[in-house]
Amino acid sequence: SQQGEEDPQALSIQEGENATMNCSYKTSINNLQWYRQNSGRGLVHLILIRSNEREKHSGRLRVTLDTSKKSSSLLITASRAADTASYFCAGGSNYKLTFGKGTLLTVNP
Amino acid sequence: DGGITQSPKYLFRKEGQNVTLSCEQNLNHDAMYWYRQDPGQGLRLIYYSQIVNDFQKGDIAEGYSVSREKKESFPLTVTSAQKNPTAFYLCASTTALYSNQPQHFGDGTRLSIL
Repeated sequence: SQQGEEDPQALSIQEGENATMNCSYKTSINNLQWYRQNSGRGLVHLILIRSNEREKHSGRLRVTLDTSKKSSSLLITASRAADTASYFCAGGSNYKLTFGKGTLLTVNP
Repeated sequence: DGGITQSPKYLFRKEGQNVTLSCEQNLNHDAMYWYRQDPGQGLRLIYYSQIVNDFQKGDIAEGYSVSREKKESFPLTVTSAQKNPTAFYLCASTTALYSNQPQHFGDGTRLSIL
């Protein structure tokens, strides 16, 4: 079963713009993680936000978590062509992560 | 450099054949995972292991088998019972079997049917 559902499924922006991706999840979680996947490669962990946190920053990344709405958002500021990838949210509960279907971000030079 | 190595990168299976995907890590991680990814989809958990000689079924274990004889290695066998094996397979590891740890991934094996 899919825990997270990302929105939008695909996003195309110009270099320098900000990109916002949203994630909704169904069941209670201990944390919400965001991963990035370049085409044909494995996933790379970006950021983890715990269920008792509301916002977290890491470089150009900003993640928010609203447990009352069971939703999270990932903001990438000042995007670069190298940010082109698929982005997945994953809800952590008990022993495992449950992944959403991802958002395909294309950053045009 | 520490990391996870998956091999081969591409694999082809004939009808009725079992194939084994390799996953090796030198991160000294206790927990290891196998996921399946279909086009346009997220990852689905096949099997996981928290320690040597122990492993558990995930959400889609039917048609797959694993072993964990060494801490560094967690091979996945796709058996002939798996009728739709074409997918991208990803191996991951964490320091321990807790969901509050980031997972480290290999670069995957793409399996296709001949």
